[in-house]
Order: sequence, then C-alpha cells, then structure tokens
Amino acid sequence: GNSVTQMEGPVTLSEEAFLTINCTYTATGYPSLFWYVQYPGEGLQLLLKATKADDKGSNKGFEATYRKETTSFHLEKGSVQVSDSAVYFCALRRYWFPGGSQGNLIFGKGTKLSVKP
Amino acid sequence: SAVISQKPSRDICQRGTSLTIQCQVDSQVTMMFWYRQQPGQSLTLIATANQGSEATYESGFVIDKFPISRPNLTFSTLTVSNMSPEDSSIYLCSVVPGQGMNTEAFFGQGTRLTVV
Repeated sequence: GNSVTQMEGPVTLSEEAFLTINCTYTATGYPSLFWYVQYPGEGLQLLLKATKADDKGSNKGFEATYRKETTSFHLEKGSVQVSDSAVYFCALRRYWFPGGSQGNLIFGKGTKLSVKP
Repeated sequence: SAVISQKPSRDICQRGTSLTIQCQVDSQVTMMFWYRQQPGQSLTLIATANQGSEATYESGFVIDKFPISRPNLTFSTLTVSNMSPEDSSIYLCSVVPGQGMNTEAFFGQGTRLTVV
C-alpha cells in the first residue's frame, strides 16, 4: 500500500543551523510528493511539492528533491530561523482513479521543529 | 486556491453526545476530505465527500459513527456521533480545487475536540 515514513521529532536547533527532516515513501506508480507545515495556532499550509522524479520543490529557503531511486523526499534548509518553528508533514498524493478515495493525501506522522535564538 | 472556514474551532463534549463540524469553502469544489489527527499522530483520512454521491469511508470508519453531508459544492458537515474519550482529536476538512495529481490541497483550521 501507500505510506509515508517521516523522521520522528521533536527536533531542536539553534538559529542559523542546517535542517534536514527525512521522509521516505512507499507507493505504487508515481505519486506526487508534498511538504506541509503547521505553524502554532494555524492550519496546514503547503510548503513545497514535487510531481515527478528528480523534481526539486522549493519555498521560503526550504528544498526537497523527489528521489525515485531511494523513494525519498527529504526536507532541507541551510539556515533556520526562529520563525520556522512549526510541525512539518511529508505527504504523498494517491493515484487518481474512479470510485473510492480520489486525490487525498497520505501523511507522515509529522516532525515538530523548535528553533532557539 | 481555496479558503476554508471550519467551525467550531474547538469544543469540549460529554461522552455519548454528538458534535457536528462544518466546513464552508469560498469556491465550488468537487472533492472534499475529512481527516482526523489523534494526539501525537499523523492525519488519517476518514472519508471523501463528493457532492452528489454518498461519502466514501476509509477502513475503520463507518457512516453511523461519522455521518457526512455534502449538500452543495461549497459546504460539508461531519458529525462525530455517540462520542467517547477515544474520539478526542483534531478534525480537519480539506479540499482539492482542481483536477489531477498535482493540485494543491487546502485545509481548514481544524476542530479540536475533547470528549470528557
């Protein structure tokens, strides 16, 4: 079946440190991959996405590359800020098919990041 | 894009009662999803609610416990029935306002439910 395995948290870093949050997936075919972020007190927001192998998604200094050979989509940022403190979710989009669930996301467990000044 | 208004944002309920959660979208969307996020866990899909058809439930979720309405393309409700403390979770609605695998999903702010 389809699943996402994400690095367990919490992760605590100092400001300007390098961030990596690991994410691997199991899926049939060629899913789309996403990182969502949930800031304290806010709803889930799309951070970045990649729709095919070797695509790199990027936003707000974060990057992730769709690696089909390793079935991975690790999130990285070169220099984190206090404002990056949030919970990060890796997710994949299920295949589109008639009937049943269509287009929903399958999520990892989430990684809580705390950045200290 | 889509903006979702979900309410209530939180509630504390007595066991055995029911709570109805509402999601209003600012545009017409075909696909709407309801998720549950239990404490310390990931988001789990409860059901898919497409307008004009019965909701489709994932394994482990049943209509009697989580009835869903989808009366039009901008609105849906999820009811958590006969609640027990195990139902304490965050419930979220989500929409995908477009066709295809690459379309972004948008989420409501969530409803934090505590059952006592």
